[in-house]
Amino acid sequence: GENVEQHPSTLSVQEGDSAVIKCTYSDSASNYFPWYKQELGKRPQLIIDIRSNVGEKKDQRIAVTLNKTAKHFSLHITETQPEDSAVYFCAASIKDSSYKLIFGSGTRLLVRP
Amino acid sequence: GAVVSQHPSRVICKSGTSVKIECRSLDFQATTMFWYRQFPKQSLMLMATSNEGSKATYEQGVEKDKFLINHASLTLSTLTVTSAHPEDSSFYICSARGRGGGTDTQYFGPGTRLTVL
Repeated sequence: GENVEQHPSTLSVQEGDSAVIKCTYSDSASNYFPWYKQELGKRPQLIIDIRSNVGEKKDQRIAVTLNKTAKHFSLHITETQPEDSAVYFCAASIKDSSYKLIFGSGTRLLVRP
Repeated sequence: GAVVSQHPSRVICKSGTSVKIECRSLDFQATTMFWYRQFPKQSLMLMATSNEGSKATYEQGVEKDKFLINHASLTLSTLTVTSAHPEDSSFYICSARGRGGGTDTQYFGPGTRLTVL
């Protein structure tokens, strides 16, 4: 079945710097890759997603890149701010009728003021 | 749009009791709802997939008789933890997938923190 690996598990950056989180997936048939941000005790919130027919997508300070050949995708946050501090999860879809998502293990991002 | 609510937000119960958690899509019809469990500092683990009007599909290792799921309408799914024990204490989160374009997208409820004494 699908397996999603996420690195790093923790990431500490200075405010204003960029942060990059990487994920790899195993099922070449996966075609949908969302990223969620979860603050402590809160629900995961979708921040950006990408489908397999594009290689990059950007939304203001957040961008996601996808390399289908290598089966990896990355989240890029530029000009980080303290409010970006949270746990970020990547996910990959299961290519069947269920539309299930398999989540990575999460990255705890700390943005130091 | 795409708002999902969950009730209750927090519940404390005695060992052996059953607890029901509701998940509602407030402004869209949810073809499919998913139930996850999240232990502290861990990722979301899918428990089951719930489709309106049909039986839920459980992930390997999840006891269907212990975690009863009912998806009676396109806006409501319920998870009942039967005969709860302390090891069932966790953060339970639902998500919903709607109809139409972008049907892969899942929107999450706020979660229910269950504590079994």
